[in-house]
Amino acid sequence: NAGVTQTPKFQVLKTGQSMTLQCAQDMNHEYMSWYRQDPGMGLRLIHYSVGAGITDQGEVPNGYNVSRSTTEDFPLRLLSAAPSQTSVYFCASSYGLGGGVSSGNTIYFGEGSWLTVV
Amino acid sequence: EDQVTQSPEALRLQEGESSSLNCSYTVSGLRGLFWYRQDPGKGPEFLFTLYSAGEEKEKERLKATLTKKESFLHITAPKPEDSATYLCAVRVNFNKFYFGSGTKLNVKP
Repeated sequence: NAGVTQTPKFQVLKTGQSMTLQCAQDMNHEYMSWYRQDPGMGLRLIHYSVGAGITDQGEVPNGYNVSRSTTEDFPLRLLSAAPSQTSVYFCASSYGLGGGVSSGNTIYFGEGSWLTVV
Repeated sequence: EDQVTQSPEALRLQEGESSSLNCSYTVSGLRGLFWYRQDPGKGPEFLFTLYSAGEEKEKERLKATLTKKESFLHITAPKPEDSATYLCAVRVNFNKFYFGSGTKLNVKP
């Protein structure tokens, strides 16, 4: 049981390049999400998905695309990288959040992907 | 607007010196408040979930409490290994988590 796995760990991009951050979870979680973490700003939600084929925008979606073709995988695509996208990216997953409050509704994070855009 | 604010931004304690971290929130449709610990170069690690005012949770030297407007993370007799950034998050309307910017705790031996 690996939990939430992110790749790559580190990446340097040139402005205008595109790339995909990979995220996979083996816990059969319905909910998956991507956050970016910047100094002094905490974790900000980019996109999330409540199941295969369903995605939605978070607080800071511009410049990023996502898709969810399987329960396990939730890749994040940077279409045309900009220096403002230099950040640490975290993928997170959880059991389904729809419905009432219940145990297990916390989210579990991957180890992060450090991205630098020059 | 949904908002989560943590204070202080940084806290230095001597080993054994108890203190509290604060997380205040203004959200509509709160579905849970969560505390995480984050070590440098790592992802956040889950500590506690609180759902209703008056609820308390404990784990070793940590105790989390919740009121209608804020949560406290009490650290009793901390040790150097408790040094980390502590993050607070709220779950709103089922599908969104909002995080505070964290409190960086440094415990000196």
